[in-house]
Amino acid sequence: EAGVAQSPRYKIIEKRQSVAFWCNPISGHATLYWYQQILGQGPKLLIQFQNNGVVDDSQLPKDRFSAERLKGVDSTLKIQPAKLEDSAVYLCASSLGGEKLFFGSGTQLSVL
Amino acid sequence: AQSVTQLDSHVSVSEGTPVLLRCNYSSSYSPSLFWYVQHPNKGLQLLLKYTSAATLVKGINGFEAEFKKSETSFHLTKPSAHMSDAAEYFCVVRSGAGSYQLTFGKGTKLSVIP
Repeated sequence: EAGVAQSPRYKIIEKRQSVAFWCNPISGHATLYWYQQILGQGPKLLIQFQNNGVVDDSQLPKDRFSAERLKGVDSTLKIQPAKLEDSAVYLCASSLGGEKLFFGSGTQLSVL
Repeated sequence: AQSVTQLDSHVSVSEGTPVLLRCNYSSSYSPSLFWYVQHPNKGLQLLLKYTSAATLVKGINGFEAEFKKSETSFHLTKPSAHMSDAAEYFCVVRSGAGSYQLTFGKGTKLSVIP
């Protein structure tokens, strides 16, 4: 089966610019997650969707980060404006609603 | 709050020797625990999970982990390391009985020397 697709694979921007990441989960997976993985740390959950509704966004910096999942399938994560500390790998994952998550390869963001 | 602590940031073993990656957890109730592996330029993959059935859990690629409540540990082991095992390993705890939110440890990088 096809895995979780993410794009772009790499992105370099300057601080205060905006950036968007895209995720296409595995077909039929109702739950979608965005994680932030800073170098040397484990992934940290930013937001969790169940279909097109938000289940948990308690760790999403809402002053600059936003995410949506229109129609309960694809999702986009946006940062506006970006800060230096946003440099990280942004991982998308999906699941059928259980405990096994399937992760994409991630988008590596560098903010200069 | 639930949390995990991976005791080693880097472990290096020779090919064919045993692997031990250590993880301690903190939880106010019986936790669900996982090990995930991340190979370079690839997505995280579930190795195994503990959900209160058997304390010794077998995973993919010959890995296993033992849940020890008295020691609050969930160490990952493999009898004989292979070059393809070189990767980063994350110990993970599920946060909350009614939630599937996962809290990751900081990771242990495993190097395998030929």
